[in-house]
Amino acid sequence: EDQVTQSPEALRLQEGESSSLNCSYTVSGLRGLFWYRQDPGKGPEFLFTLYSAGEEKEKERLKATLTKKESFLHITAPKPEDSATYLCAVQALTGNQFYFGTGTSLTVIP
Amino acid sequence: NAGVTQTPKFRILKIGQSMTLQCAQDMNHNYMYWYRQDPGMGLKLIYYSVGAGITDKGEVPNGYNVSRSTTEDFPLRLELAAPSQTSVYFCASSASHGPYEQYFGPGTRLTVT
Repeated sequence: EDQVTQSPEALRLQEGESSSLNCSYTVSGLRGLFWYRQDPGKGPEFLFTLYSAGEEKEKERLKATLTKKESFLHITAPKPEDSATYLCAVQALTGNQFYFGTGTSLTVIP
Repeated sequence: NAGVTQTPKFRILKIGQSMTLQCAQDMNHNYMYWYRQDPGMGLKLIYYSVGAGITDKGEVPNGYNVSRSTTEDFPLRLELAAPSQTSVYFCASSASHGPYEQYFGPGTRLTVT
């Protein structure tokens, strides 16, 4: 069964304190792994797509990496405006569905 | 481009009432999806469509219906609303050929009392 597990559920960081969020997945052939940011009361906002193990993508203070079993979202020197819930999703090669994790709620304290 | 739009933003229904949640996209995406999001539960797929006239059930389809008569629109129908359908509903769309990422609407917060 395809599934996605994210950890930790919640993370509090001081401004400037770097850390990583984890997304472990089980899928029968990976078409893509996706990271989204969700602010309270809003829809998820697309951040990155990773297609194969070893791939990395960067955007400002965020960097996403992918292995055969998991993905990491590294946050370097975070700012309060990075506070949000970060969602991970996978899509299998067969089928059109996306499977989402329950997210990591990140709070960055000034 | 407006992207994915959803109406209404908020709605309160009484048990047994029916309603339609509207979703439209202007990105010419073939694939469209309906999710519900409950606290601590993540996004659960209700129905999806790979093109006009084609729909399929997701993980939690009971109590809902969909139709897709055009590429742009993908309405979700709730028949005989129940308290268990209290949730936030998101519509999303994606291209049928890579890149495959989904683009989400702002959501509809529905309360059934």
